[in-house]
Amino acid sequence: QKEVEQNSGPLSVPEGAIASLNCTYSDRGSQSFFWYRQYSGKSPELIMFIYSNGDKEDGRFTAQLNKASQYVSLLIRDSQPSDSATYLCAATTGGFKTIFGAGTRLFVKA
Amino acid sequence: DAGITQSPRHKVTETGTPVTLRCHQTENHRYMYWYRQDPGHGLRLIHYSYGVKDTDKGEVSDGYSVSRSKTEDFLLTLESATSSQTSVYFCAISESIISSTDTQYFGPGTRLTVL
Repeated sequence: QKEVEQNSGPLSVPEGAIASLNCTYSDRGSQSFFWYRQYSGKSPELIMFIYSNGDKEDGRFTAQLNKASQYVSLLIRDSQPSDSATYLCAATTGGFKTIFGAGTRLFVKA
Repeated sequence: DAGITQSPRHKVTETGTPVTLRCHQTENHRYMYWYRQDPGHGLRLIHYSYGVKDTDKGEVSDGYSVSRSKTEDFLLTLESATSSQTSVYFCAISESIISSTDTQYFGPGTRLTVL
């Protein structure tokens, strides 16, 4: 069973701090990795995707991929209360089968 | 929501009744997906489509069927709803299935309750 594992949280950080969200995946054939943000009662919205080992930055968000360790992370700098949401990690080998983690709840305290 | 609508947005039905959920996209993307989302679980793939009249099963397809007669519409049918099918259903679309263009975009979701 191919899996994507995330700590369910909640992860609580103070406003302005760095939030670090982690994800591991079991399928070594996974090629593409995605981070989605999901507010309560809403649909997942894409934050970032990453395909290559290393870091990818987009504004306050940095995705990190380590294929040797089968590990993906998302860093949120200068966390804001509006970042409070559930963050979903997903991995795909290409094709139709994207595997989603159950998500990590993030709470940013004002 | 990337030009994706779902209808109905909320539905309450009784066990044993048929239910059809509709997904409509205006992006002209070839690939469409139906997921369900339950507490403690990630999004789980029910069925997907890779073109008009071309569909296949996902990991949790039992009790569900789908149809795609037009590029823009993907229907999910619960033939005889059961309480275990109470869930939030999301439709998603993607431009391709090749890395770098295989990002999936989600519709607003349908909350289904089966009593």
